[in-house]
Amino acid sequence: EVQLLESGGNLVQPGGSLRLSCAASRFTFSSYAMSWVRQAPGKGLEWVSGISGNGESTHYADSVKGRFTISRDNSKNTLYLRMNGLRAEDTAVYYCAKAYCGGDCSFDYWGQGTRVTVSS
Amino acid sequence: AIRMTQSPSSFSASTGDRVTITCRASQGISSSLAWYQQKPGKAPKLLIFDTSTLQSGVPSRFSGSGSGTDFTLTISCLQSEDFATYYCQQYYSYPWTFGQGTKVEIK
Repeated sequence: EVQLLESGGNLVQPGGSLRLSCAASRFTFSSYAMSWVRQAPGKGLEWVSGISGNGESTHYADSVKGRFTISRDNSKNTLYLRMNGLRAEDTAVYYCAKAYCGGDCSFDYWGQGTRVTVSS
Repeated sequence: AIRMTQSPSSFSASTGDRVTITCRASQGISSSLAWYQQKPGKAPKLLIFDTSTLQSGVPSRFSGSGSGTDFTLTISCLQSEDFATYYCQQYYSYPWTFGQGTKVEIK
C-alpha cells in the first residue's frame, strides 16, 4: 500500500524557517501530483500548496504565497515544503497528500502529519 | 477563491439513520468535488471524488450527488464507525478549498 511519511515539524520562533519532507513509497511517485494540506489545532483542513508530477507546475494558497515553496525530488521519491517567515497562524499539523491523478484531482492517500508550532 | 460552505456544521444522529450533508460552492465547480472523512487524531480519508465516484474500499452506504454549486453526501444507514467529521473539497480552480467541516455525533 502507498506510504507517505512526513518529517521536519518542530517548534520555531516567529519569523523562522523550516523544511518539511514527505517520503513516498509503493507507487510511481513522478506520475502523481502532490499537495500539502494543514490543520490548525481544533480547526478544519486548509490546502497549502500543490505540485505537478514533473514538478514544473506549482500552486499556493494566498495565505502562504511568497513565504512557502513546494518542491519535489523524483529521484528520491520525496516532497518538500520550505517555509520561511513563519507566523503564529502557521501553527498546524501539516499533511502531505497524493493526488489520484497527475493533475487536478482529489487526494487518495495522506500521510500521518507532522506538527509545526510557531511560538516565541 | 471559491468558498465552500457546508451545512449543518454539526448534528446528532443515531445508528441506522439516513443522513445528508450539503456543500455549496460560491461559484460553479462542475463535478470537481470530493468528500473526506476524518476521525480525531487521524488523517482524512477520501470517500468520494468527482462528486459521485466511490473510492475503492468505501462502503456503498456512502453516496454523493450534485453538480455546479450544490452537492450532497448521503450516508444511507449510519454505522458506529461513521461518527466523524466530514469535509468537502473543490479542485476546480486554485486555490483549492475545503468546506469548514460537518461533525456527526452520536445522539
